[in-house]
Amino acid sequence: AQKVTQAQTEISVVEKEDVTLDCVYETRDTTYYLFWYKQPPSGELVFLIRRNSFDEQNEISGRYSWNFQKSTSSFNFTITASQVVDSAVYFCALRDDYKLSFGAGTTVTVRA
Amino acid sequence: DTEVTQTPKHLVMGMTNKKSLKCEQHMGHRAMYWYKQKAKKPPELMFVYSYEKLSINESVPSRFSPECPNSSLLNLHLHALQPEDSALYLCASSQDPGQGVRHEQYFGPGTRLTVT
Repeated sequence: AQKVTQAQTEISVVEKEDVTLDCVYETRDTTYYLFWYKQPPSGELVFLIRRNSFDEQNEISGRYSWNFQKSTSSFNFTITASQVVDSAVYFCALRDDYKLSFGAGTTVTVRA
Repeated sequence: DTEVTQTPKHLVMGMTNKKSLKCEQHMGHRAMYWYKQKAKKPPELMFVYSYEKLSINESVPSRFSPECPNSSLLNLHLHALQPEDSALYLCASSQDPGQGVRHEQYFGPGTRLTVT
């Protein structure tokens, strides 16, 4: 069964637009951890954020913000005032046992 | 410093060749991982090393052979690969495998492997 669903395959925006990436997860555990990773064309997966299941506070880091809603099993990611350098594939991931379960990824293209 | 390094960046090998991929981290992490990533797909876990011992093998074919010589190094030995094994191979590490669930994994830049 798919644990992490990223329904948006591709999103294309013009620079300075905001973009929100959706992530819905599924787990039976009460303790689990959610992550977002960015994969630019160079290939390296860059860790962006970790959130545990007991902490539903939203977080902001510069132009990035995350909205964790346990009631809807969602952990959405917003890039405010997007820039060309934000173009990448973004993966949401769930860790509830020994392994990371990645979503299929959302490709974000920011046009100048 | 959250750097994981991998060599080589690119590798082309024939189906009869033997080659190795190398991964190194100096963050004091005790868990290390190999992932395989096909184009336009998420990474798939292959192996997990915990305190230098193989703890997880995700039913990977024996033509892939991992090795962890010490806490900083992780190798992946390749032999008799098939063209469908062509992919990006990513190495990752995390702080403490015993409590590893909460610790984020840091990834290297990957080795892009082509099997001809």
